[in-house]
Amino acid sequence: NAGVTQTPKFRILKIGQSMTLQCAQDMNHNYMYWYRQDPGMGLKLIYYSVGAGITDKGEVPNGYNVSRSTTEDFPLRLELAAPSQTSVYFCASKKGTAYGYTFGSGTRLTVV
Amino acid sequence: AQKITQTQPGMFVQEKEAVTLDCTYDTSDQSYGLFWYKQPSSGEMIFLIYQGSYDEQNATEGRYSLNFQKARKSANLVISASQLGDSAMYFCAINAGGTSYGKLTFGQGTILTVHP
Repeated sequence: NAGVTQTPKFRILKIGQSMTLQCAQDMNHNYMYWYRQDPGMGLKLIYYSVGAGITDKGEVPNGYNVSRSTTEDFPLRLELAAPSQTSVYFCASKKGTAYGYTFGSGTRLTVV
Repeated sequence: AQKITQTQPGMFVQEKEAVTLDCTYDTSDQSYGLFWYKQPSSGEMIFLIYQGSYDEQNATEGRYSLNFQKARKSANLVISASQLGDSAMYFCAINAGGTSYGKLTFGQGTILTVHP
């Protein structure tokens, strides 16, 4: 089925480890986003991209990096994981000025 | 910058009754969109309804309607004939126009519990 695919669904990291959260969409959407959701809270924007090769910071970018080498993929890299990065991470995409967003199912990350 | 305020941390409603979830927003943009999402306990984000700032009619989608009061900067979600499956977290969000590139700003959410 078309949509946004996030992997992994769950992950436990030790403090100081690094990892990449994968996000792929097959709808030819040019806009892609990474959000994090802390327990009991709304989503906050980490990074976004308006097309291949173009990325920019959102509200909470510290501790993360992204790249967008293709239209389909938008991986989120965590370097030197910290307990404060324990959260649920959502990837989303949309096509241009259309208002419809497609969200992935989320990655639940725990840093211990 | 945009801001969404949801003042009701939790709401309770009896099955088959209607319920209103409050949302106020703040933006300096003239063109913006307002969204409501449902997040059940399984965690996925489910789009419910959208209202554009220039839309003259209140948006409706089945049992969901959006009570849009532009002058008061409010965009309340009304769920009619509540069902047990409506129990979930509900988020209001705004996407300001222009150069926002579709970035959504979310409120903190309201937990809705539907009682049988």
